[in-house]
This record gives sequence, C-alpha cells and structure tokens, in this order.
Amino acid sequence: DTAVSQTPKYLVTQMGNDKSIKCEQNLGHDTMYWYKQDSKKFLKIMFSYNNKELIINETVPNRFSPKSPDKAHLNLHINSLELGDSAVYFCASSLEGAATEAFFGQGTRLTVV
Amino acid sequence: DAKTTQPNSMESNEEEPVHLPCNHSTISGTDYIHWYRQLPSQGPEYVIHGLTSNVNNRMASLAIAEDRKSSTLILHRATLRDAAVYYCILRDVGGATNKLIFGTGTLLAVQP
Repeated sequence: DTAVSQTPKYLVTQMGNDKSIKCEQNLGHDTMYWYKQDSKKFLKIMFSYNNKELIINETVPNRFSPKSPDKAHLNLHINSLELGDSAVYFCASSLEGAATEAFFGQGTRLTVV
Repeated sequence: DAKTTQPNSMESNEEEPVHLPCNHSTISGTDYIHWYRQLPSQGPEYVIHGLTSNVNNRMASLAIAEDRKSSTLILHRATLRDAAVYYCILRDVGGATNKLIFGTGTLLAVQP
C-alpha cells in the first residue's frame, strides 16, 4: 500500500495547456507539500498545506494553484504551461512538527513541448 | 532558514563504512538535524534525525558534535543500493511551516 501516491507518473503536454497532478496520502498526516526538482536536480519547495490550509507559498507563479479538498489530498493545477515548467514534481506529507519524518511520492515527470 | 554545507561528492567501497559530513555552523538551539537521501529516479527518502544526542536506526547512525555545528551520517556497511544523493537539512521546531529546505547534497558513489 503506497503511502504517498501521485498521478500521473509521466505527463507530456504542449505549451499553453492546463494540467493537474494529483496526490494522495494514506498516512493520516496533517501537512502536505509540493516540491519541484529541476534539470539540475535542485529540490525546491513550492507549497505547504496544513489541515487543508495553505501555510507556505514560495515564489511560485500564480499559474500554479494547489487545492486541498481534504487532509489526505493535495492536487496541483498548472495553467498556461511553459517550457520552463518541465521538471519532476514531488508531493510529500508529514505530521506537523520539526521532529517528524516526511514521506515523498515517486514524482511526476512533466515535459512541456 | 539555517544553511548546511556538504561535500559535493564522495566515494566508498561496498561493505565498508561511510562517513558523510555536514557543517551547520549557524544552527539554532531549536533546529533538528535531518538526513534524507534520494536514490536515482525516486523521491527523497527519510534516513534519520536528531537534536543533540547521537541516534541509531536500522538504516544509519547520526553523530552530532557537542557544539551541534556539525554532524556526520554513518552508513555502517555501504551497499550498491546506498548510492544516492544524501541531504543534510535543518528543521526548526519553532517555525510555523516545518518545511524541509534541500541543499545540493552529497552524491555518494559505491564501488563494488
């Protein structure tokens, strides 16, 4: 049973399209995150939700809109996709607190052509 | 966010111990030291964390300097499966966000 699952695993789409990536965790965690890993392998946090409320919104274009319908889900919707959005996107979850372990999904490789 | 410094890369031989260093000279009293690793084509994976005392778990050991300005992740017997990027991260208990800030990490190569 996968702890943090993302769909789809691969996504190839054209510039200008709108796409969504879904994330679900079955760990009972109250905090969920989205990270972006670019071609240079640098992992950067994008958003964090705690109990369905947005608590971190790093400097991310407003074309990216996270949505948390409940504590177990955090979806990422991207409007008007650009070439520079091509990356691997990771979803993660944890309990609240600095001494807790975060679990990551397997990633969604987004390629914008 | 407190910063960490790690070597870009290290090499080890299979079945030998590996010591991965991390410097965090600006660590605050409430920062936990976390280690994650990322195997090729996978998401990051938790390894271990600690505050002041040394910690052991089934994956590794974490040795924390007395002044907490550095720490060392110890893999007791490296296997080929341990080849990955290892990240040392500080996580503030006082922060409202508890976010994990990844640096560039150490790429560990394990030779058979």
